[in-house]
Amino acid sequence: GQNIDQPTEMTATEGAIVQINCTYQTSGFNGLFWYQQHAGEAPTFLSYNVLDGLEEKGRFSSFLSRSKGYSYLLLKELQMKDSASYLCAVTPYYKLIFGAGTRLAVHP
Amino acid sequence: DSGVTQTPKHLITATGQRVTLRCSPRSGDLSVYWYQQSLDQGLQFLIQYYNGEERAKGNILERFSAQQFPDLHSELNLSSLELGDSALYFCASAYRGKGGTDTQYFGPGTRLTVL
Repeated sequence: GQNIDQPTEMTATEGAIVQINCTYQTSGFNGLFWYQQHAGEAPTFLSYNVLDGLEEKGRFSSFLSRSKGYSYLLLKELQMKDSASYLCAVTPYYKLIFGAGTRLAVHP
Repeated sequence: DSGVTQTPKHLITATGQRVTLRCSPRSGDLSVYWYQQSLDQGLQFLIQYYNGEERAKGNILERFSAQQFPDLHSELNLSSLELGDSALYFCASAYRGKGGTDTQYFGPGTRLTVL
């Protein structure tokens, strides 16, 4: 079966660092994506991990441990515009299986 | 702007009706995916087409069908609509759509309201 878990909501302060965790159990694994989605808008691609380790992209970093079925998205120097949902998605073969998303609220 | 276009942006219809949602993938992309996102729900994968052929199916109802045309645009047909079908419907495209190696780029979505 497929199971992806993320915290439902998180809050953080502008300028701070926040880590959003994702654990998964899937039959088949080709990689893990993180997407950002503002309310009512399309998901936008943030990062992709296929090998264990950390991928850094500006203020955003993503980590993957395949043996533990675990990933996290790290957001640094938070800005108000980072308030959005963050979706973890796993790719068993041709599909993208999304978690329910973590709603992040950044406050001043 | 992802380069994926979807029409219409909004659609309001009544129960029992049939609607068609349209998607044009990014230039050069061969795969199209359809997703449904209900209020406060996650993205649910419906179906994938690759170069005109169905490649993968998710939780797509029998009342729903899709196709991809020779010019690679895709249509999602929803029939016998029910109130619960009200949702955002997203289309995404990818170059090859083979496993996890292709990033999917999402269109702006069609918001369907069934009254």
